[in-house]
Amino acid sequence: DVKVTQSSRYLVKRTGEKVFLECVQDMDHENMFWYRQDPGLGLRLIYFSYDVKMKEKGDIPEGYSVSREKKERFSLILESASTNQTSMYLCASSLWTEGTDTQYFGPGTRLTVL
Amino acid sequence: QKEVEQNSGPLSVPEGAIASLNCTYSDRGSQSFFWYRQYSGKSPELIMFIYSNGDKEDGRFTAQLNKASQYVSLLIRDSQPSDSATYLCAVRVSGYSTLTFGKGTMLLVSP
Repeated sequence: DVKVTQSSRYLVKRTGEKVFLECVQDMDHENMFWYRQDPGLGLRLIYFSYDVKMKEKGDIPEGYSVSREKKERFSLILESASTNQTSMYLCASSLWTEGTDTQYFGPGTRLTVL
Repeated sequence: QKEVEQNSGPLSVPEGAIASLNCTYSDRGSQSFFWYRQYSGKSPELIMFIYSNGDKEDGRFTAQLNKASQYVSLLIRDSQPSDSATYLCAVRVSGYSTLTFGKGTMLLVSP
């Protein structure tokens, strides 16, 4: 079974704090992704990574950065948290199977910025 | 701009009925199509994917793809109250590993 874990299920931070969200997968997947999900806006891609130390911007990278120092770990960093970054954050990793790249999600981190 | 459209619902069906969920996409280069189920407060879980025109069956679920008309659908036979969730359609364009998601259709199955 694919296992994607995220460091926290719920997190409360103050405006201006630096926030780290961690994601770990145990299946040796090459690709990892960070999304945020908001009511009415759906899932939006923040950043993704094809390999260690590689990163690519998604649709909404502003205010975020990422780090991938090891293959199994992909971190999302909010340099200075703001209230509009209150959201559900979902990490995914992907595996090529049956000729296509299939994403599997972690349990999510619900972040509240006060 | 890649777009994936789904009716937000809710789609209400009685227990035992067939639920039909639809998704249209804008990019003709789309290659792979995924259906995820998401329970309230939980993360999306993969139901199935399809990349060839026609039908693909997995248990009570059938995905249908029509590339000429640019739509993909998910049929759920013998719907159960436990199927009540939001169903997300996602599309992958050839050459990319990223997915574009629709906003989801909420399905309610009443006992």
